[in-house]
Amino acid sequence: KQEVTQIPAALSVPEGENLVLNCSFTDSAIYNLQWFRQDPGKGLTSLLLIQSSQREQTSGRLNASLDKSSGRSTLYIAASQPGDSATYLCAVRRRDDKIIFGKGTRLHILP
Amino acid sequence: SAVISQKPSRDICQRGTSLTIQCQVDSQVTMMFWYRQQPGQSLTLIATANQGSEATYESGFVIDKFPISRPNLTFSTLTVSNMSPEDSSIYLCSVVWDRRGEQFFGPGTRLTVL
Repeated sequence: KQEVTQIPAALSVPEGENLVLNCSFTDSAIYNLQWFRQDPGKGLTSLLLIQSSQREQTSGRLNASLDKSSGRSTLYIAASQPGDSATYLCAVRRRDDKIIFGKGTRLHILP
Repeated sequence: SAVISQKPSRDICQRGTSLTIQCQVDSQVTMMFWYRQQPGQSLTLIATANQGSEATYESGFVIDKFPISRPNLTFSTLTVSNMSPEDSSIYLCSVVWDRRGEQFFGPGTRLTVL
């Protein structure tokens, strides 16, 4: 059974700092891994998608890495801004197309 | 990417009634899903909406409680039947858009049951 864990559950950092969010999964037989952002009371916005054959993806200030063998992914946010405050969710897609979500990391960037 | 809309965006309903949520996608997609997000929790998959056939439900979810329709490749509905306060959640429609398997979500429907 695939389980997805995100650490930490919550994080507060001063504006301008670089930060890392962690995601781990128990079964390495995944099709892809996706990072999302969710603002309070809203839907999910796709940030980055990493295929199982890839090691990392970058978009602007965001960089996501994938180490399938160890069951880990990280989301790196550079030069954080107050607008980055949100909940960040990691989701893995199994080879049977089921998508399993972590519980998310609530990020608060302090102005 | 796919553009997904949901109606209604929010509703407040009385116990015992039913609500139907609509999901519209601007392009044809094969894979469409319905999720529930209870307050303070992550997303739980309710079912996969299959075009032209019965939805595939996850463990803990049944058709009588959450009937789903998918008449074509751009539209689906989820009905929350005989509602109770425990059904108060955000309900989200999602599609897998392309061969890479990227998933996109609608804006969600916030349901409060009194």
